[in-house]
Amino acid sequence: GENVEQHPSTLSVQEGDSAVIKCTYSDSASNYFPWYKQELGKRPQLIIDIRSNVGEKKDQRIAVTLNKTAKHFSLHITETQPEDSAVYFCAAHDKIIFGKGTRLHILP
Amino acid sequence: DTAVSQTPKYLVTQMGNDKSIKCEQNLGHDTMYWYKQDSKKFLKIMFSYNNKELIINETVPNRFSPKSPDKAHLNLHINSLELGDSAVYFCASSQDHTKSYEQYFGPGTRLTVT
Repeated sequence: GENVEQHPSTLSVQEGDSAVIKCTYSDSASNYFPWYKQELGKRPQLIIDIRSNVGEKKDQRIAVTLNKTAKHFSLHITETQPEDSAVYFCAAHDKIIFGKGTRLHILP
Repeated sequence: DTAVSQTPKYLVTQMGNDKSIKCEQNLGHDTMYWYKQDSKKFLKIMFSYNNKELIINETVPNRFSPKSPDKAHLNLHINSLELGDSAVYFCASSQDHTKSYEQYFGPGTRLTVT
């Protein structure tokens, strides 16, 4: 069946450093790739998304890159801050499939 | 001014009982969803409705029955609850049925089956 693989499952980075989370997908029909952030006990919320006709998108400290040929996309967070600590989910839409999440810890 | 709301926030019940979770969105969206998030935080889609019509029905036991009285509401009824049903259930909505739009999640309902 269709699948989205997300790595790593846990990531610890020093405050101020960059964090990168990667996802690969199997469904060639996927055309929309959102990233959601879920803080402890809260709902998932969209932080950035990218459509299949774009290779890269940036919003302040957050960027997403997409390689449709290789079927992978990545989330980049620069200058990490304590409030970036959360679980991050990637997803691929045609069918709606979420990755299994990455728990990001920002170390003081 | 809550965009997507769910009730109840917490639900504790015994095995074998029947329970419902309600969801409402005031965003004017056409499409609504139910997700299950288990103890490992995996987020899996269960159902999707577009304008009151079922468009996604993943492999979910038929003890789970969604009901959409209008496009602003999608309720989830669960019969004969089992221990494995314990999870957080999120309702969500998006602009339309093409699915290529941001999903707005409700606050979640933590279901505990004892």
